[in-house]
Amino acid sequence: DQQVKQNSPSLSVQEGRISILNCDYTNSMFDYFLWYKKYPAEGPTFLISISSIKDKNEDGRFTVFLNKSAKHLSLHIVPSQPGDSAVYFCAARGGGKLIFGQGTELSVKP
Amino acid sequence: GAGVSQSPRYKVAKRGQDVALRCDPISGHVSLFWYQQALGQGPEFLTYFQNEAQLDKSGLPSDRFFAERPEGSVSTLKIQRTQQEDSAVYLCASSLSPGQGLTNYGYTFGSGTRLTVV
Repeated sequence: DQQVKQNSPSLSVQEGRISILNCDYTNSMFDYFLWYKKYPAEGPTFLISISSIKDKNEDGRFTVFLNKSAKHLSLHIVPSQPGDSAVYFCAARGGGKLIFGQGTELSVKP
Repeated sequence: GAGVSQSPRYKVAKRGQDVALRCDPISGHVSLFWYQQALGQGPEFLTYFQNEAQLDKSGLPSDRFFAERPEGSVSTLKIQRTQQEDSAVYLCASSLSPGQGLTNYGYTFGSGTRLTVV
């Protein structure tokens, strides 16, 4: 039973355009949501988080949107850069631990 | 050190062998997590420590898996009688306090140990 789902395994975007990564969840008791970025052979690196009581959080080129009624969150990267190419994981906190989605591999082409 | 250090980086074990994976969290970090990441999947929770207390071990897949953090710093994940399905990357993460991991800094992950059981 996958509580956090990222339905797109991969996404390809042109440099300078917007990247939108999506994540759905099933448990309405999750209280925090986080996005991590992962390069090959490295551990995940924290990007941005959002509390369940908010609907938007912004940090530079990265914005996370939360739609609680739809149990959906998204990460917007604008403008996208080739260095953003990596696997992105969304995660939700439930029961004191983080539950991760399967990841979306983003490729930003010059 | 500056980050979370895991050793070894790679481990090849014969089926049935016991293995021990080490995690050195950032100095002073209270919370420590172990995750298992299979190929093409997201990390899956194994267990959580707050200082030396193991508060949650609900994700350990069988009684062959055991974790400890006796002095509240270094942690070891031990897998007895390894099986092929144990092949995965084992990630360790730490944070200064249980709540701090969720806001500006998140949990800091190590680079992981890739375990291959042959």
